[in-house]
Amino acid sequence: AQSVTQLDSQVPVFEEAPVELRCNYSSSVSVYLFWYVQYPNQGLQLLLKYLSGSTLVKGINGFEAEFNKSQTSFHLRKPSVHISDTAEYFCAVTPSGTYKYIFGTGTRLKVLA
Amino acid sequence: DTGVSQDPRHKITKRGQNVTFRCDPISEHNRLYWYRQTLGQGPEFLTYFQNEAQLEKSRLLSDRFSAERPKGSFSTLEIQRTEQGDSAMYLCASSGRQGNNEKLFFGSGTQLSVL
Repeated sequence: AQSVTQLDSQVPVFEEAPVELRCNYSSSVSVYLFWYVQYPNQGLQLLLKYLSGSTLVKGINGFEAEFNKSQTSFHLRKPSVHISDTAEYFCAVTPSGTYKYIFGTGTRLKVLA
Repeated sequence: DTGVSQDPRHKITKRGQNVTFRCDPISEHNRLYWYRQTLGQGPEFLTYFQNEAQLEKSRLLSDRFSAERPKGSFSTLEIQRTEQGDSAMYLCASSGRQGNNEKLFFGSGTQLSVL
């Protein structure tokens, strides 16, 4: 079975500072990895995904994530955050070849002025 | 593309009553998912369909929960004999078959409150 761990439930950061949101997964098979974002009072939307190929993937709004197979991690980063990045961020995994998506518990990013 | 729509947006019911939610996916999408989300938690997988076939159902889901997608288009999620612990946001998502089709499109959810 697959699982996803997001150790940080909340991350406060000042505007224009860099941020890293951590995600670790567990799986006995190869997986696809995703980050979704949920802005206040909105539905979840895809930020970026890793399926194969380059381990560094770029997403919308200046976010990027790096797949590290040896550490089973898929951390999300942004070099300079904006107030508008305040949201809940969810890491998700699905075994390749299936379509069952497992989500982590989420990290609430709060960008401070 | 009208997006994934869910109905109703909110539902308040008394314990022991049955409730049914509807999800209309994006029209060309063949996969449809149901998730449940409680405050401070991530979406919890309930079940998913490929066309009309229900391919997987969470073991966490009791027999009180049933989902259908009779013609491979819209889906319904029914909860029988609701309990207070069923209070949550019920999310529907769909995904399609074109190219890299792993992107889930989520609806706005149905917020269930069981009194």
